[in-house]
Amino acid sequence: SQQGEEDPQALSIQEGENATMNCSYKTSINNLQWYRQNSGRGLVHLILIRSNEREKHSGRLRVTLDTSKKSSSLLITASRAADTASYFCATAPYGGATNKLIFGTGTLLAVQP
Amino acid sequence: KAGVTQTPRYLIKTRGQQVTLSCSPISGHRSVSWYQQTPGQGLQFLFEYFSETQRNKGNFPGRFSGRQFSNSRSEMNVSTLELGDSALYLCASSFFGTSGSWAQETQYFGPGTRLLVL
Repeated sequence: SQQGEEDPQALSIQEGENATMNCSYKTSINNLQWYRQNSGRGLVHLILIRSNEREKHSGRLRVTLDTSKKSSSLLITASRAADTASYFCATAPYGGATNKLIFGTGTLLAVQP
Repeated sequence: KAGVTQTPRYLIKTRGQQVTLSCSPISGHRSVSWYQQTPGQGLQFLFEYFSETQRNKGNFPGRFSGRQFSNSRSEMNVSTLELGDSALYLCASSFFGTSGSWAQETQYFGPGTRLLVL
């Protein structure tokens, strides 16, 4: 079964607005990663945050991690139509094999031009 | 560097048949993982191969198997196909897969093979 639950399931915003997606997970983790998927294609790695980190930035992306609440959020600033995609969080469980990722249910983001 | 490649990209099979999917990892990557994506179950881990050995396995029946060759290329096989096996099968490669540099923990995904079982 999936460990991660993402909220909201779907999000529609206008170009230029910010988009925030949340991810909750169930067990302790080594790291949490965010991926983007366009129209049922392969996954594109966006950012990885380790369990001892609280915040990370990459370009227009900002990820936060709260291990006490077992939750993470992904913020995309100044969104563009090209950001339209599904976004997934994936966790590498603590003590587990690093490459066995457990994915969330995903958030479908639609950015209207 | 070339990315992860998967062949074929699309496949149509009938129930009871078997299928073999192929994945070529990024040059230098020794770990290859396979995932199944369906609308109902989402993305689920199938198994991981490292240095030609299966290192981890998900909760899938024995009809799902895989192997890795000495050049790190991997294949997965599904025997006795069922309608529920219709899915997007994704392959991911990573450099090593142990804790340390985050770059080594990042998995890079291929475009996937879309399998339709009729």
